[in-house]
Amino acid sequence: GAVVSQHPSRVICKSGTSVKIECRSLDFQATTMFWYRQFPKQSLMLMATSNEGSKATYEQGVEKDKFLINHASLTLSTLTVTSAHPEDSSFYICSATRRGHSNYGYTFGSGTRLTVV
Amino acid sequence: QKEVEQNSGPLSVPEGAIASLNCTYSDRGSQSFFWYRQYSGKSPELIMSIYSNGDKEDGRFTAQLNKASQYVSLLIRDSQPSDSATYLCAVITNTNAGKSTFGDGTTLTVKP
Repeated sequence: GAVVSQHPSRVICKSGTSVKIECRSLDFQATTMFWYRQFPKQSLMLMATSNEGSKATYEQGVEKDKFLINHASLTLSTLTVTSAHPEDSSFYICSATRRGHSNYGYTFGSGTRLTVV
Repeated sequence: QKEVEQNSGPLSVPEGAIASLNCTYSDRGSQSFFWYRQYSGKSPELIMSIYSNGDKEDGRFTAQLNKASQYVSLLIRDSQPSDSATYLCAVITNTNAGKSTFGDGTTLTVKP
């Protein structure tokens, strides 16, 4: 089955620093990856759509200069939270679809819990 | 109106009962429908997909789709405490290139 690995699972960082989160598809080529953020007891909020080899498409209200997304290969996408602040503390989750299977549902990574102190 | 709407719950059922989760969607062009389960503190996992009208069964889970009514549901038979989670309905339309639109989720509690 399709497996998506996400690292780190948990990170605590100081305010003003940057944090990079990796999302890897282990056994398939992920042509599209999606990045979500989820605050406690709230729904998934799509931040951006990342297609391999092209610039990410950000949802309205998401600062592209603050949340840098790179999808340089068919198996790896990264999200960098730059100059993190306490309000960026959240659960960040990636998901991936494979070529030709975009209508077959998502495989999610295990998520990254970010705490900014 | 939200594109995908679910009752937020919480929904509580006794162990062994049938849990019924409902979802409506606004885009008639929607083609693919999914149910995800999300345990507290974890990421979602896909449990059911359905693409045509009618019922689709997988073990204790049955997904039901009615495109005319723009309605999709998930039935969980013989509910177990381990089914306690938030269930997310998701929809893909023709026009959004495989991007799923998620409902806010329904929290289910199965009481022993």
